Amino acid sequence: EAGVAQSPRYKIIEKRQSVAFWCNPISGHATLYWYQQILGQGPKLLIQFQNNGVVDDSQLPKDRFSAERLKGVDSTLKIQPAKLEDSAVYLCASSLGPGIDTQYFGPGTRLTVL
Amino acid sequence: AQSVTQLDSQVPVFEEAPVELRCNYSSSVSVYLFWYVQYPNQGLQLLLKYLSGSTLVESINGFEAEFNKSQTSFHLRKPSVHISDTAEYFCAVVAGAGSYQLTFGKGTKLSVIP
Repeated sequence: EAGVAQSPRYKIIEKRQSVAFWCNPISGHATLYWYQQILGQGPKLLIQFQNNGVVDDSQLPKDRFSAERLKGVDSTLKIQPAKLEDSAVYLCASSLGPGIDTQYFGPGTRLTVL
Repeated sequence: AQSVTQLDSQVPVFEEAPVELRCNYSSSVSVYLFWYVQYPNQGLQLLLKYLSGSTLVESINGFEAEFNKSQTSFHLRKPSVHISDTAEYFCAVVAGAGSYQLTFGKGTKLSVIP
């Protein structure tokens, strides 16, 4: 069974530029998550989708971050404009359903903002 | 809101010695508890979880964790570690109400010394 796919694996941009990350969840998983993991900290949930609807985006900085999950499968996370403090690993995860179903994580995208 | 504290950021231990990685949580409602592991250059993966029933849960590679409600702890233990256990370990909690958001601790880096 294929795991969660993410691209790109690495991205370096300058502040005020924009960037987008892509995620393809495990086939059949209805729930998709985006996490931000800053160096030395645990992952922090940014947004959760159930199919193509947003369930929780309470910790998403909506002035600069946006995410969508068209057709309830792939998802993109965008940052515009980027700030230095956005340097982090962005993790995508998926699960069969919400709540306590096991989340399966992708390898992440390491973003460096200069 | 729930939170997770992992008291040790790094734990060095000799091969075949026992190890305990500590995790404490806070929540005003019932909780579900998880340990995730991240091996070098790999994504996060579930190690074990407590949902209900027996307070002692085990993984397939010899780790175990015990849910202690009175001490609000979910410490991870292994009686004899191997080089291959070198990884970063994250404790996480889902509060049993509201958005069911997974909240992670800051992680503990376990280094097994030959």
